Amino acid sequence: RKEVEQDPGPFNVPEGATVAFNCTYSNSASQSFFWYRQDCRKEPKLLMSVYSSGNEDGRFTAQLNRASQYISLLIRDSKLSDSATYLCVVNKNNAGNMLTFGGGTRLMVKP
Amino acid sequence: DAGITQSPRHKVTETGTPVTLRCHQTENHRYMYWYRQDPGHGLRLIHYSYGVKDTDKGEVSDGYSVSRSKTEDFLLTLESATSSQTSVYFCAISDPGGSSGNTIYFGEGSWLTVV
Repeated sequence: RKEVEQDPGPFNVPEGATVAFNCTYSNSASQSFFWYRQDCRKEPKLLMSVYSSGNEDGRFTAQLNRASQYISLLIRDSKLSDSATYLCVVNKNNAGNMLTFGGGTRLMVKP
Repeated sequence: DAGITQSPRHKVTETGTPVTLRCHQTENHRYMYWYRQDPGHGLRLIHYSYGVKDTDKGEVSDGYSVSRSKTEDFLLTLESATSSQTSVYFCAISDPGGSSGNTIYFGEGSWLTVV
């Protein structure tokens, strides 16, 4: 079983739709969680951190469920520019910065 | 954007030749990393450094070595390249305990093809 698992997709949605991605992680001692966005042939870039209480940044909402060991990303009012691969990232410990990346979920927003 | 420069950005090399990828940062971040990204595997950590001359292995370190003689530079060397090392290589930096916390920033990537 992979340490961080994501549905690879692709998720094909129309503009304006709401779409949600889930990610599960296996290490219950994981300390911090992130969503990164990666455009084709580009480097991953931080989209948002995920906090225990849930957090929102504009059209994006991230949730963490420690009991079930999953995190989620909700995108409302999808834009064409949201088309990308979304990477779930888990920090295994706070001793350094040991991140484990999920394989990514590909989103394609269509006109 | 974080000040991370990778070189070369694209390289084609022959099996058995040595290859060195360079990562240069201008952020004075303590940690530097080399990842590779392959279809079906996502990003996997090769080696990382937590200070000058302080390095450690990651998940997929076999066939790779690294060196960090200065805070700003982190070199990844393939001593004898193999076709299985054809990949996209990303350098990354972070500064735990610093202003950017646990956020990790990536360079633009180096595309390596071993023929």
